[in-house]
Amino acid sequence: GAVVSQHPSRVICKSGTSVKIECRSLDFQATTMFWYRQFPKQSLMLMATSNEGSKATYEQGVEKDKFLINHASLTLSTLTVTSAHPEDSSFYICSAGMTALNEKLFFGSGTQLSVL
Amino acid sequence: DAKTTQPNSMESNEEEPVHLPCNHSTISGTDYIHWYRQLPSQGPEYVIHGLTSNVNNRMASLAIAEDRKSSTLILHRATLRDAAVYYCILKNNDMRFGAGTRLTVKP
Repeated sequence: GAVVSQHPSRVICKSGTSVKIECRSLDFQATTMFWYRQFPKQSLMLMATSNEGSKATYEQGVEKDKFLINHASLTLSTLTVTSAHPEDSSFYICSAGMTALNEKLFFGSGTQLSVL
Repeated sequence: DAKTTQPNSMESNEEEPVHLPCNHSTISGTDYIHWYRQLPSQGPEYVIHGLTSNVNNRMASLAIAEDRKSSTLILHRATLRDAAVYYCILKNNDMRFGAGTRLTVKP
């Protein structure tokens, strides 16, 4: 089946630094990618939806200048957490798929970000 | 806002069937019903999806009510590896998750 590769799986960084997370669809072209964050014992919270070649659509309350999303190709989307702070520590998950509603989504394995 | 409602948790015994319900009373005519599950510290994985008719695959079955306002994911014989959080989602352009159902499988 289709695979979505997400890297890194875990990152520890100092407060104030920026962290980039990559999400790649390995054997299919993803017209749409979603980015989520998840706190312990909670559900996935949608951060933004990105379509290839266009600007991402951010959910209310998600700072677009802090969480930079780039979806430059049909196989790659990146999330950059700029000037990370301890409250940004979370599990970040990407998913990729086709726009059609009957197409299933494929999820990355997640990135655990810890900001010291 | 999530458009689906699921019980917070359910328990099952190993080797027994499990029926996980989901209410989606505001479903629109074009919404597909998707189910995903998430094991600890992993991304969700696809389980099954459908529109109007019941669906079967190697993982599970999906029973969809005639009015489409509810559905049930059926695991025919639960195993310990099926312990996970199960999410029912109406697939549209925003793909928001609800709280899901945490399934515990007892040996």
